[in-house]
Amino acid sequence: QVQLKESGPGLVQPSQTLSLTCTVSGFSLTSNSVHWVRQPPGKGLEWVGAIWSGGSTDYNSALKSRLSISRDTSKSQVFLKMNSLQTEDTAIYFCTRSQPGWFAYWGQGTLVTVSS
Amino acid sequence: DVVMTQTPVSLPVSLGGQASISCRSSQSLVHSNGNTYLHWYLQKPGQSPQLLIYRVSNRFSGVPDRFSGSGSGTDFTLKISRVEPEDLGDYYCLQSTHFPPLTFGSGTKLEIK
Repeated sequence: QVQLKESGPGLVQPSQTLSLTCTVSGFSLTSNSVHWVRQPPGKGLEWVGAIWSGGSTDYNSALKSRLSISRDTSKSQVFLKMNSLQTEDTAIYFCTRSQPGWFAYWGQGTLVTVSS
Repeated sequence: DVVMTQTPVSLPVSLGGQASISCRSSQSLVHSNGNTYLHWYLQKPGQSPQLLIYRVSNRFSGVPDRFSGSGSGTDFTLKISRVEPEDLGDYYCLQSTHFPPLTFGSGTKLEIK
């Protein structure tokens, strides 16, 4: 069955770089796109970016200058890297598979706290 | 960017009653292919969002028929009939017609009256 699981450091210092991994199973990254969505504590959902089945990427313009999404299809993994982290980047980060057009399958999310 | 305006922010309901949530977009969500990519999610406390309705009115697998979606153009509604305790949580609309970026509504908290 389709599964996604996020992993990452949990705590990141301000100005440092965040690296998250989304490990997927039950589908191929070359046939499906994977998106990242984040949710600050107690707030709503924000689309972060995506890597499409062909390997191209799209990013939220507010984050574009700090963000990179890539993948390793042989390992069924998608990577998110965001630099110059600030406290406002504290959030639960979800990866999700596009159906396409809508997200039926989500990871459980990983909380990233930006703090010294 | 398409702005999704979701109302109300909070919706107190009685168990067994009906709830209605509105989502309005700043521009038409009709895609050039004729489809409308407006979807609804429920997020229960401590959980990931779960898909309820895709493309305006299609219930996702396993979603009870108490949930129904309707609307067109820029105006959309999610209705929940015979509200049950497991329906409580935060509801979000999402548009994926115009991207990037995909945009979510700001959420509606469904709670017991």
